[in-house]
Amino acid sequence: AQKITQTQPGMFVQEKEAVTLDCTYDTSDPSYGLFWYKQPSSGEMIFLIYQGSYDQQNATEGRYSLNFQKARKSANLVISASQLGDSAMYFCAMREDTGGFKTIFGAGTRLFVKA
Amino acid sequence: ETGVTQTPRHLVMGMTNKKSLKCEQHLGHNAMYWYKQSAKKPLELMFVYNFKEQTENNSVPSRFSPECPNSSHLFLHLHTLQPEDSALYLCASSQDLAGGLGQETQYFGPGTRLLVL
Repeated sequence: AQKITQTQPGMFVQEKEAVTLDCTYDTSDPSYGLFWYKQPSSGEMIFLIYQGSYDQQNATEGRYSLNFQKARKSANLVISASQLGDSAMYFCAMREDTGGFKTIFGAGTRLFVKA
Repeated sequence: ETGVTQTPRHLVMGMTNKKSLKCEQHLGHNAMYWYKQSAKKPLELMFVYNFKEQTENNSVPSRFSPECPNSSHLFLHLHTLQPEDSALYLCASSQDLAGGLGQETQYFGPGTRLLVL
């Protein structure tokens, strides 16, 4: 079974609007961390935001926030005030406490920001 | 100087060739990683090194041979590859080992896009 599911292969958003990228995960480990990465066309993966499974508050980093719904096993990324430079692939990832050093990545969502 | 550099950026090789990918991090980190990103599969962890010692080999075929001479450099030696090995190979580093629940952030290089003919 897939551990990380990103159901949106591609998304379009108008510049300056907010967009939500979906991510659901599957784990039986009570301790885990969730990550979002951005991958521009240049190739490098850029860390955006982290949410620990025991964190009470949703993580926020500037224009990025993570909508963490633990019971639903969902960790959606919200980008507010989209910019043209936000056009990229976005990957949701998880690391389980029992998984050692293995970070499991989803298939990604390609975001297109329209001017 | 960018944090994590990789050379070459693009590589085309035949199945009988031997080549090496190089990764260098300028961040003073202790842990380094190799990942494989194929067109139709999620990013896969290949190898993990901590203080030059290999701590993880994620069932990678022996035609991929990593080398970590020091904490700043990581190589991936390639020989007798198959066309299905064509992918983007990403190197990453982190201050300490990124494991479990920890928030340890990995910093990625731009990758080497490999094509095996």
